[in-house]
Amino acid sequence: SQQGEEDPQALSIQEGENATMNCSYKTSINNLQWYRQNSGRGLVHLILIRSNEREKHSGRLRVTLDTSKKSSSLLITASRAADTASYFCATVYSNSGYALNFGKGTSLLVTP
Amino acid sequence: GAVVSQHPSWVICKSGTSVKIECRSLDFQATTMFWYRQFPKQSLMLMATSNEGSKATYEQGVEKDKFLINHASLTLSTLTVTSAHPEDSSFYICSARRTGTGGGGGNSPLHFGNGTRLTVT
Repeated sequence: SQQGEEDPQALSIQEGENATMNCSYKTSINNLQWYRQNSGRGLVHLILIRSNEREKHSGRLRVTLDTSKKSSSLLITASRAADTASYFCATVYSNSGYALNFGKGTSLLVTP
Repeated sequence: GAVVSQHPSWVICKSGTSVKIECRSLDFQATTMFWYRQFPKQSLMLMATSNEGSKATYEQGVEKDKFLINHASLTLSTLTVTSAHPEDSSFYICSARRTGTGGGGGNSPLHFGNGTRLTVT
């Protein structure tokens, strides 16, 4: 079953604006990861935030984690048309292989 | 580094035939690889965990006899869709984690192939 639930499901903004996506999850976690998927392609890892971290930055990306609320957010600042993609949060399955369980994703459209 | 190559990128086959999809880690070893399936505008669903040198672990509801997984080396896993039917049409994506980085709760990212678009006619 899906562990994460992202919202919004779809987001449309103009270049230069900030985009915020939220993710909620159900069980306890060691870390939470964010991935990006361009249409018809595989996923690219963006950021991993550990359960003892509250905020993490990578370039124009900022991720927060609130374990008390079981939620995370991904902020993309000064968005560009090239940021158009689907964004997924993921947590680790509780199986021995440590596969990832993905949320439903947010489809982001950035228009010039 | 950490490149995963998946082949073919797309394939069209007729009902009843079998299709093999390859997933290779090009610059790292992967004891474990994962196969996902994705329907249009939906999330990724884990199908199975592929273990080098042993049997794959399938998720509930995934037919092991239909989706054959072989992980014969530390850099190659294959998924064979046997006796394909139109409902098997989907986007299949493999992923891998560098060997030795998966411990402690999976505190390292997965590296994904670019997926295979399977269409069964």
